[in-house]
Amino acid sequence: DTEVTQTPKHLVMGMTNKKSLKCEQHMGHRAMYWYKQKAKKPPELMFVYSYEKLSINESVPSRFSPECPNSSLLNLHLHALQPEDSALYLCASSQAPGTGVSYEQYFGPGTRLTVT
Amino acid sequence: GQQVMQIPQYQHVQEGEDFTTYCNSSTTLSNIQWYKQRPGGHPVFLIQLVKSGEVKKQKRLTFQFGEAKKNSSLHITATQTTDVGTYFCACGTSYGKLTFGQGTILTVHP
Repeated sequence: DTEVTQTPKHLVMGMTNKKSLKCEQHMGHRAMYWYKQKAKKPPELMFVYSYEKLSINESVPSRFSPECPNSSLLNLHLHALQPEDSALYLCASSQAPGTGVSYEQYFGPGTRLTVT
Repeated sequence: GQQVMQIPQYQHVQEGEDFTTYCNSSTTLSNIQWYKQRPGGHPVFLIQLVKSGEVKKQKRLTFQFGEAKKNSSLHITATQTTDVGTYFCACGTSYGKLTFGQGTILTVHP
């Protein structure tokens, strides 16, 4: 199984709402990622989890809160978002990065988020 | 951090024509990965290049990594309508960080 699943596919939320995005993989990968992608732009890395521990936070505002409950699941909790946060949020997984080694990443289909 | 510049931003071709996208860096890259994103889809891994001067082929796709490991290219021979999408190069670090180029949006006219 080389699939990464994400729910929901679409999400519309107001600026005062709290919502969560979910991501799951069953490939035994020990690294998971959150990316944000605006239209006609490349994915921008937000967070990296390695062995269920947050290893990279790309200076993401605190209104985005990641969580990795176990090696298969990754959540992104959203609170008090702004309209400019509207984007496609992509989850990805890979083998855990090692010294001098980089692995291919498997992306989920994404959650298209609209903040009103 | 490492940055990669990718050109062209857009490419329109007639079906059957060839297509090339280029990725350049001012610093030596440890590796380069290539991804394809179909319209409305998500990035899908195509290949990773690690060695200086490496050339890899996948059917009509040819990937090259420069001798100095500062540039890479993806060449598609005889494009088909199924090739439409955005092609991204990305450089990876040992910490898992993947930095993407701006992408080349390929349109193929039948």
